[in-house]
Amino acid sequence: GAVVSQHPSRVICKSGTSVKIECRSLDFQATTMFWYRQFPKQSLMLMATSNEGSKATYEQGVEKDKFLINHASLTLSTLTVTSAHPEDSSFYICSPKGQGANYGYTFGSGTRLTVV
Amino acid sequence: LAKTTQPISMDSYEGQEVNITCSHNNIATNDYITWYQQFPSQGPRFIIQGYKTKVTNEVASLFIPADRKSSTLSLPRVSLSDTAVYYCLVGDNQAGTALIFGKGTTLSVSS
Repeated sequence: GAVVSQHPSRVICKSGTSVKIECRSLDFQATTMFWYRQFPKQSLMLMATSNEGSKATYEQGVEKDKFLINHASLTLSTLTVTSAHPEDSSFYICSPKGQGANYGYTFGSGTRLTVV
Repeated sequence: LAKTTQPISMDSYEGQEVNITCSHNNIATNDYITWYQQFPSQGPRFIIQGYKTKVTNEVASLFIPADRKSSTLSLPRVSLSDTAVYYCLVGDNQAGTALIFGKGTTLSVSS
């Protein structure tokens, strides 16, 4: 159980363009979605938390207008990096969570974003 | 702030047992302790989870003392493929708040 699909695994985009990352929970309903980013040789840093059907809550220092999160269904959440710049190059990881103690924390396989 | 503290790095040789200890002095009553493994350019992978005493699965053992302020991940007979970053995390599955990652332990296994 707890199968997570994150796409794309890697993407290269030009500066100023937008990139969408998808995260799907394939065999459970993700009432909550956490998005993390990880810079080289650093740990995962929480960017935002979203609950299905609600607006996302962003961590301090994360621009909500730049990192658009949509969590319209219980099996799909997207992170859109708008007007990407080279400093947005990072490894982005989603973490869907089902409701209740029976659901542990799961993680997607990550998306390597390179902005050139 | 991360709720856990681990050694930054550890070195081992193939075939040895590796024990990584994690401190979580402020663990809450409902928190479980979970260890994840991460390879470069991959998401964290679940290894083992426990609440108290000892838990064992096919890949590792987790030892948790009675006060739950620390835990030790034990990897028996490591191989080169166990070279990775290991994260100790505490979290409440019921509450569903985000896991806050510390720096993790980089384990390097040599032949």
